[in-house]
Amino acid sequence: QVQLVESGGGVVQPGRSLRLSCAASGFTFSSYAMHWVRQAPGKGLEWVAVIAYDGDNKHYADSVKGRFTISRDNSKNTLYLQMNSLRAEDTALYHCARAIDISGYWHAFDIWGQGTKVTVSS
Amino acid sequence: EIVLTQSPGTLSLSPGERATLSCRASQSVSSSYLAWYQQKPGQAPRLLIYRASSRATGIPDRFSGSGSGRDFTLTISRLEPEDFAVYYCQQYGSWFTFGQGTKLEIK
Repeated sequence: QVQLVESGGGVVQPGRSLRLSCAASGFTFSSYAMHWVRQAPGKGLEWVAVIAYDGDNKHYADSVKGRFTISRDNSKNTLYLQMNSLRAEDTALYHCARAIDISGYWHAFDIWGQGTKVTVSS
Repeated sequence: EIVLTQSPGTLSLSPGERATLSCRASQSVSSSYLAWYQQKPGQAPRLLIYRASSRATGIPDRFSGSGSGRDFTLTISRLEPEDFAVYYCQQYGSWFTFGQGTKLEIK
């Protein structure tokens, strides 16, 4: 079935780095734009980044621009989020999500992973 | 950045009642690129409505969306026990932003 499974979360000190992965299955991963969305404990949803189906275009929320990098390996059906210079306010559950349609960015997110937890603390 | 403001923050209703949730944007949402999601504790968000009024696959017809421009509404015609959750609106016409959520709780 169509599925996204995140991994790579953990506890990390401020200023350090972490790389998240999102393994996709059950659909043609290389056809869809993909997103990262995070949710701080007890808070709402915050969009983090998007990458085009072919990896050529990427965009970021201002809160992570210059620190986070989104990437994908279509041969491995996997999405990544490299997080550098982590801050306490980056503590959240990180979900990957798929755009509902294959053309462009401007779509709702129809498939979500369960998330991987990132805690930034000394 | 388009800011979405959802109201009310919490809505207390009984099963069988009608729920009306609102989402107001700080500026007009391009092409009605507005979605609604449901999230239950410990679960990922679930897409309910996209393009303001189109139901996602498998969503019961008691869920409906309406609106355009800056004002949008999610209506649940007759609440079922499984509908009590947090609901988020999202605009995806000018990058991506979410509202702060409306908690729908059992009265």
